[in-house]
Amino acid sequence: DAGITQSPRYKITETGRQVTLMCHQTWSHSYMFWYRQDLGHGLRLIYYSAAADITDKGEVPDGYVVSRSKTENFPLTLESATRSQTSVYFCASSSSDRGTYEQYFGPGTRLTVT
Amino acid sequence: RKEVEQDPGPFNVPEGATVAFNCTYSNSASQSFFWYRQDCRKEPKLLMSVYSSGNEDGRFTAQLNRASQYISLLIRDSKLSDSATYLCVVNVEDTDKLIFGTGTRLQVFP
Repeated sequence: DAGITQSPRYKITETGRQVTLMCHQTWSHSYMFWYRQDLGHGLRLIYYSAAADITDKGEVPDGYVVSRSKTENFPLTLESATRSQTSVYFCASSSSDRGTYEQYFGPGTRLTVT
Repeated sequence: RKEVEQDPGPFNVPEGATVAFNCTYSNSASQSFFWYRQDCRKEPKLLMSVYSSGNEDGRFTAQLNRASQYISLLIRDSKLSDSATYLCVVNVEDTDKLIFGTGTRLQVFP
C-alpha cells in the first residue's frame, strides 16, 4: 500500500533552471494539493486540484505551474527556480466523498536553489 | 489577524504530565477541524478530527468551541514519543482547502 509518494526526496538546483516535483497517490483521491513549508510561515497552499484537468491557485502560486492529466499524478513545476523557492514541498490528497476534508501527506521534497 | 493562531511554545513537560494546547480560528463558516502532528523534518500526519461534541482517542482529547472559535487538544500521561509539533487545522468554509496553524512545539523530557 504505497499511499502517496513524492520524488525526488532531495533536490539541489541552480537559479533559473526548471524543476519538476512529482507526486503520485494510489488511493484514487479526487483532490490533490501542493504546499510549501518555511520557518515562520507554516504550510502554505501553492496549487490544488479537484479532479483530473481541474486545477486552481492557492495562496502562493507565483512561479509555479501544475498539471493533472491523470487522477493519481499531480506534478509541480518551477519554471525558473529562484532562491526564494528553497523550501520543503509537500503533496497531499483527500477524498471529498465523506465531506470531512482530511488530507494525507506525502513524505516531502527538500528543494535547495543555489 | 492570522486565520489560525497557535502558541508556538515550546511546551516542555515531564513524562506523565498532562498538557493542553489551544488554537483560535477567524472564519466562523469553517466546518471541519483537525489536529495534525508533525515530527522534525517529516510530513504532517492526521492525529484526530475535532467534533463539536468533543472526542477522545486514547490519551488525546479534542474539543471545539464554535461560539468562541477555539479548538483545544489535551494530552494525558505524556510520553517521550509525544514530542513533536502539533498543528491546528481548519477548513476554508465549505471547501476542501485547509488552513494550517504554524504549530505548537511539545518537548517531553524524562
